Amino acid sequence: DTAVSQTPKYLVTQMGNDKSIKCEQNLGHDTMYWYKQDSKKFLKIMFSYNNKELIINETVPNRFSPKSPDKAHLNLHINSLELGDSAVYFCASRGPNYGYTFGSGTRLTVV
Amino acid sequence: AQSVTQLDSQVPVFEEAPVELRCNYSSSVSVYLFWYVQYPNQGLQLLLKYLSGSTLVKGINGFEAEFNKSQTSFHLRKPSVHISDTAEYFCAVIPNSGGYQKVTFGTGTKLQVIP
Repeated sequence: DTAVSQTPKYLVTQMGNDKSIKCEQNLGHDTMYWYKQDSKKFLKIMFSYNNKELIINETVPNRFSPKSPDKAHLNLHINSLELGDSAVYFCASRGPNYGYTFGSGTRLTVV
Repeated sequence: AQSVTQLDSQVPVFEEAPVELRCNYSSSVSVYLFWYVQYPNQGLQLLLKYLSGSTLVKGINGFEAEFNKSQTSFHLRKPSVHISDTAEYFCAVIPNSGGYQKVTFGTGTKLQVIP
């Protein structure tokens, strides 16, 4: 019964390709997030959705496009992948009293 | 805007010894504070959080942290560490003004427990 699940866990792809990462939460939370963790372990927020509505959109290249078909799902599509996109991407959801639950991450390697 | 400083990027400590991981923050508004742990190849797991009330907060796995408003610190402590505590630890803050606020993370401290 994984609370926040991401697929795939690993993704290796060539520069210029388009790829998607999927995230699903079964906690009933309204708010979901995408974070990027770089090679130095620094975590930076990318996007946040509340009940399918985009509420936080950080300075992220427009090659990154989030989509939330319903409040339990938040997917991330990346166009024209670049070497610098290599990172671990975490999905998270927020529950009551600021209880954040993170997925186990998707390690994206662009070659 | 908020910022979080974790001064120690790595902390080696012998098994069964006490440990303190330091966290200082800067914010023009009041904040909530968190500590997360990340085991290798895993996501972040909440250790503890301070929202209000007692400034000494107890979390999972025997960890505790103390909120010091005057020193803007939220140091994490454990009296006796185990090998299984080897992981990356992140301090984080969020403005307590409600609404859709962003969590700001520190750069992490790698705790290495030596047998």
